[in-house]
Amino acid sequence: EAGVAQSPRYKIIEKRQSVAFWCNPISGHATLYWYQQILGQGPKLLIQFQNNGVVDDSQLPKDRFSAERLKGVDSTLKIQPAKLEDSAVYLCASSLWIRELFFGEGSRLTVL
Amino acid sequence: QKEVEQNSGPLSVPEGAIASLNCTYSDRGSQSFFWYRQYSGKSPELIMFIYSNGDKEDGRFTAQLNKASQYVSLLIRDSQPSDSATYLCAVNGGGTSYGKLTFGQGTILTVHP
Repeated sequence: EAGVAQSPRYKIIEKRQSVAFWCNPISGHATLYWYQQILGQGPKLLIQFQNNGVVDDSQLPKDRFSAERLKGVDSTLKIQPAKLEDSAVYLCASSLWIRELFFGEGSRLTVL
Repeated sequence: QKEVEQNSGPLSVPEGAIASLNCTYSDRGSQSFFWYRQYSGKSPELIMFIYSNGDKEDGRFTAQLNKASQYVSLLIRDSQPSDSATYLCAVNGGGTSYGKLTFGQGTILTVHP
């Protein structure tokens, strides 16, 4: 069974530029999550989708971050414009049940 | 008060010892509790989950839950150097937060030979 796919693995941009991350969840997993993990901290939920509907986006900085999950399968997370404090690993996860989240390898963003 | 708080660490134990990792949570309605392990530069992976008060054992790992005290712990018996990692406590909220998994900040564990 293929795992959660994410790309790109690494991205370096300058502040005020834009960036997009892509995630393809495990086939059949209805729930998809985007987490932000800053170095030395635990993952912080940015947005949670159930199929193609948003369940929770209360911690998503909506002035600069956006996410979509068209057709209830893969998802894109965009940051525009990026700030220095956005430097982090962006983790995508999917689940069939809340019992277990399967994480992708993450996309590491460095903002200079 | 943080929603999910873990003992700050880092925690260092000798090989073969018991490692004890602790976590408290603020949402009294929380339903289920998870321990994830994260190796450096890697993504989190699930070790155990627990729903009911008491202990749950899986091999060398034991999760303990006390809902009255809002406390969950993970014991690792016969610790091995390969157990060296960051351990993340995650809590599934109650009520309108059901299905939302909130992570603690993690505890770094080092098992030295």
